[in-house]
Amino acid sequence: NAGVTQTPKFRVLKTGQSMTLLCAQDMNHEYMYWYRQDPGMGLRLIHYSVGEGTTAKGEVPDGYNVSRLKKQNFLLGLESAAPSQTSVYFCASSTGLADSDEQFFGPGTRLTVL
Amino acid sequence: GQNIDQPTEMTATEGAIVQINCTYQTSGFNGLFWYQQHAGEAPTFLSYNVLDGLEEKGRFSSFLSRSKGYSYLLLKELQMKDSASYLCAVSDRDYKLSFGAGTTVTVRA
Repeated sequence: NAGVTQTPKFRVLKTGQSMTLLCAQDMNHEYMYWYRQDPGMGLRLIHYSVGEGTTAKGEVPDGYNVSRLKKQNFLLGLESAAPSQTSVYFCASSTGLADSDEQFFGPGTRLTVL
Repeated sequence: GQNIDQPTEMTATEGAIVQINCTYQTSGFNGLFWYQQHAGEAPTFLSYNVLDGLEEKGRFSSFLSRSKGYSYLLLKELQMKDSASYLCAVSDRDYKLSFGAGTTVTVRA
């Protein structure tokens, strides 16, 4: 099993450009999450999904959109990138079956917006 | 919302013990997680506590006091490979995690 994978690993954008980050998991997990990690601020939840076809806002959703058309994939879109969106983005997944479920994280995408 | 505090940095010597404290104020509580994150890598799960008390897993132990909103992660017999960031995270009733900023532990020879 590959676990949770993310593409791309690195990306540089200019202000105003758009892009989509792809997250894929092969563990048949129901729940998927997108976080951003910035120095001194820890991981912050952007959006999450509790199943195929569902999405919900997290702590910092502004400027991002998501889609969960297939259970194994969770896409994060930036419609018009801003320098404030320079960050490391992590995708995660969990079964959602129990409180003790750990989240499994992907390797991250390092995004720089110039 | 959640307010989660942990120290920014700690340094310890190889073979020693280090205790990383985490305090939290939450609107809902479904358990507390500790994750380890090496520089440039993804976080990986270390422990989960939902009842008061100590959970031991080899060299790592985690403690929870729900009444005090307090947890700690204890790392024993420190090894160089334990140099990493340790993230405290609280789960709310919707299985969402709120993370602290992380504690960077540096192990010196």
